[in-house]
Amino acid sequence: EPEVTQTPSHQVTQMGQEVILRCVPISNHLYFYWYRQILGQKVEFLVSFYNNEISEKSEIFDDQFSVERPDGSNFTLKIRSTKLEDSAMYFCASRKGAQGNQPQHFGDGTRLSIL
Amino acid sequence: GESVGLHLPTLSVQEGDNSIINCAYSNSASDYFIWYKQESGKGPQFIIDIRSNMDKRQGQRVTVLLNKTVKHLSLQIAATQPGDSAVYFCAENINDYKLSFGAGTTVTVRA
Repeated sequence: EPEVTQTPSHQVTQMGQEVILRCVPISNHLYFYWYRQILGQKVEFLVSFYNNEISEKSEIFDDQFSVERPDGSNFTLKIRSTKLEDSAMYFCASRKGAQGNQPQHFGDGTRLSIL
Repeated sequence: GESVGLHLPTLSVQEGDNSIINCAYSNSASDYFIWYKQESGKGPQFIIDIRSNMDKRQGQRVTVLLNKTVKHLSLQIAATQPGDSAVYFCAENINDYKLSFGAGTTVTVRA
């Protein structure tokens, strides 16, 4: 069964450094998402992306964050200048179609640790 | 075993018993709901979904019930197995661009 893959599984970065988290969505999916989960808390929406542009973003997704689909297969999340509070699990998800009756499929996440 | 009331963070259930996990959602306009299972160190895994024009949907060993009047979802797991131990999240489709997740219920299966 096709799946969403994320790399790296764990990223350790010094505060103030830039980090790029990478995702390969399921190949025929058209909608892409990033979510965040702070340890022990619920999954929080960050941003959705469709047709090479952001569809919606949360208030967490400030100017330090950006997303890109640099080619036909990758979807990246960049944090320009990381803060301690950016430490969390970051999940990428993708969905096949436009209708709200298809589930988003999630990768296993990247654990981001900011020192 | 059942998580009573709107939502409890943990549920302990004897292997072989049925589990009921409850969830309250916030937006009366939400039209689509999903249950996810999250095992330790993994991402949310799709279990079952339901549209708002339905009140019940069954899968393999799982059933989701939707009560729109009180904005309540439940997930029933039949004959709970050790592999069912995980955190279970309900999620509501807010506007086709994002999911809003509940706080999650940790299910522990006792042998």
